[in-house]
Amino acid sequence: EAEVAQSPRYKITEKSQAVAFWCDPISGHATLYWYRQILGQGPELLVQFQDESVVDDSQLPKDRFSAERLKGVDSTLKIQPAELGDSAMYLCASSHYGTSDYEQYFGPGTRLTVT
Amino acid sequence: AQTVTQSQPEMSVQEAETVTLSCTYDTSESNYYLFWYKQPPSRQMILVIRQEAYKQQNATENRFSVNFQKAAKSFSLKISDSQLGDTAMYFCAFMKTSYDKVIFGPGTSLSVIP
Repeated sequence: EAEVAQSPRYKITEKSQAVAFWCDPISGHATLYWYRQILGQGPELLVQFQDESVVDDSQLPKDRFSAERLKGVDSTLKIQPAELGDSAMYLCASSHYGTSDYEQYFGPGTRLTVT
Repeated sequence: AQTVTQSQPEMSVQEAETVTLSCTYDTSESNYYLFWYKQPPSRQMILVIRQEAYKQQNATENRFSVNFQKAAKSFSLKISDSQLGDTAMYFCAFMKTSYDKVIFGPGTSLSVIP
């Protein structure tokens, strides 16, 4: 069964350093989402892509976060510089736009710890 | 703005018993989608059950069923014959359109006790 892939699974970084996360959605899924989940809370959307275009990045802290999906397939989320408050799980999800299957399929996540 | 509330941070249930998780939401939309997601410890988020707001019939998936009360903006999850593998965080979630972002509640931690 096809799955959303994310790497790395775990990342420890010092504050002020740069960090990047990668996501490969299910093949054929045009819509890709990055969510941030702080421990003990529900996920919150950071950015949504439709193919290579950003649909919603209203909650993305643009002074330090950036996201790209250059060829409309895999995506990278970057933080620079990382802050202590960025410690969280970063989840990637994808969905099959234009079909009756609107379910968002989630990857295993990247757990970031900023020290 | 839409919000999702789960008033039970933690719950426990004996194996084989039935448990109900509560969820309320706030929206001015008439058509939308509601979900229950399960997040087991150190494992990924998976969809348990979904409900389209235009459907009056409550959704059912094997041991999982919902009680959708549109006027009351309530969407509870019932788990029958609870199993140890049901131990997880459960998130109630709302989506305005079929390709919009999902808005999650704060979650309910469910423990199934042998």
